[in-house]
Amino acid sequence: AQSVAQPEDQVNVAEGNPLTVKCTYSVSGNPYLFWYVQYPNRGLQFLLKYITGDNLVKGSYGFEAEFNKSQTSFHLKKPSALVSDSALYFCAVRDTNQAGTALIFGKGTTLSVSS
Amino acid sequence: EAQVTQNPRYLITVTGKKLTVTCSQNMNHEYMSWYRQDPGLGLRQIYYSMNVEVTDKGDVPEGYKVSRKEKRNFPLILESPSPNQTSLYFCASSIQGFGSPLHFGNGTRLTVT
Repeated sequence: AQSVAQPEDQVNVAEGNPLTVKCTYSVSGNPYLFWYVQYPNRGLQFLLKYITGDNLVKGSYGFEAEFNKSQTSFHLKKPSALVSDSALYFCAVRDTNQAGTALIFGKGTTLSVSS
Repeated sequence: EAQVTQNPRYLITVTGKKLTVTCSQNMNHEYMSWYRQDPGLGLRQIYYSMNVEVTDKGDVPEGYKVSRKEKRNFPLILESPSPNQTSLYFCASSIQGFGSPLHFGNGTRLTVT
């Protein structure tokens, strides 16, 4: 069965420092991987996705993520954090070997950027 | 503006009183889905629909019904709500089911007493 793990409930960084939000996954086939961000009282917003190709994926608001097949990871990164990046971040995975299955979300990681 | 619209945003009801949460998208998307979000559990899929008249269960379908009579609308029905269905609900849509990103509504916070 497919699954996704976000090992950190919260990540704290200072403004201007690089940030990493971790995500690992488990699928039987090849994964489709996504990152979403949720601001208070709002729905989730799509940040970026990995389907195939280049392992480094660039997305919205300066975020990027690196797909590492051997480590089954898809960590979200940003070179220089902003206070406005503070939000709840979700990693999600779909197993391409299983048609019709849901997009499985991690439990979320709260990112707090201090000024 | 392209969007997914859910109504109502907030709903307080009593056990057993049937309710419907509406969801509408204006992007001509084939795929629609309902999720519930609970603290510490992330988002869990309730039902999804690959296209009109085709729906299927997600991970937590018990106690819920859906219908997809037209492409733009995907209402979530709770025939007899119970307190364990108190949650934050999100409707989402995408062009097609797998590689396309989901567009989410702003959520419906449901409290069942």
